[in-house]
Amino acid sequence: GAGVSQSPSNKVTEKGKDVELRCDPISGHTALYWYRQSLGQGLEFLIYFQGNSAPDKSGLPSDRFSAERTGGSVSTLTIQRTQQEDSAVYLCASTPRRGWAEAFFGQGTRLTVV
Amino acid sequence: ELKVEQNPLFLSMQEGKNYTIYCNYSTTSDRLYWYRQDPGKSLESLFVLLSNGAVKQEGRLMASLDTKARLSTLHITAAVHDLSATYFCAVGRDDKIIFGKGTRLHILP
Repeated sequence: GAGVSQSPSNKVTEKGKDVELRCDPISGHTALYWYRQSLGQGLEFLIYFQGNSAPDKSGLPSDRFSAERTGGSVSTLTIQRTQQEDSAVYLCASTPRRGWAEAFFGQGTRLTVV
Repeated sequence: ELKVEQNPLFLSMQEGKNYTIYCNYSTTSDRLYWYRQDPGKSLESLFVLLSNGAVKQEGRLMASLDTKARLSTLHITAAVHDLSATYFCAVGRDDKIIFGKGTRLHILP
């Protein structure tokens, strides 16, 4: 595709429910990142995928968070038993190769837990 | 652990003035990025700086990198209202890209 695509753009869920957020990176990009941005804050690194390598999960805040990337392309971030503090914008980014390329960001998914 | 600090976090300035945003980082890195974010929007890449002494300019924005001081600056020349946005620096180490908290820039007409 022309850019990084994320869906849904907005998600309102009840506390305790599970949610899945999807990221479709730019075609051919091997690296994919997930970040979380709380209101008025910077970007918090969550997880990084590079090709077929094991993902870097060091930024996931709790075991309620998980992510996978199927076929080296589409990624899904899953949050189980959502809490109100999970409310944020979840941003996905991809880069064409490891190392020195800038990351291209999607429009994000705004998650609200009520 | 790689940490990225920006200052100031908020800046209100008048059109026509010059100002500089600073980005310090805690460990060695092989690349530094500057991004712009408009309210409610995603991030747009402005600059990628790869080596000590690198300087890049686009319009009224100029970014520089001093790897020895672990410092990057984003200089705004003769600011205009259209530059109002939040500016993030981000530092790459290994395969991670770690972001600062951002500088919210508000340019008054």
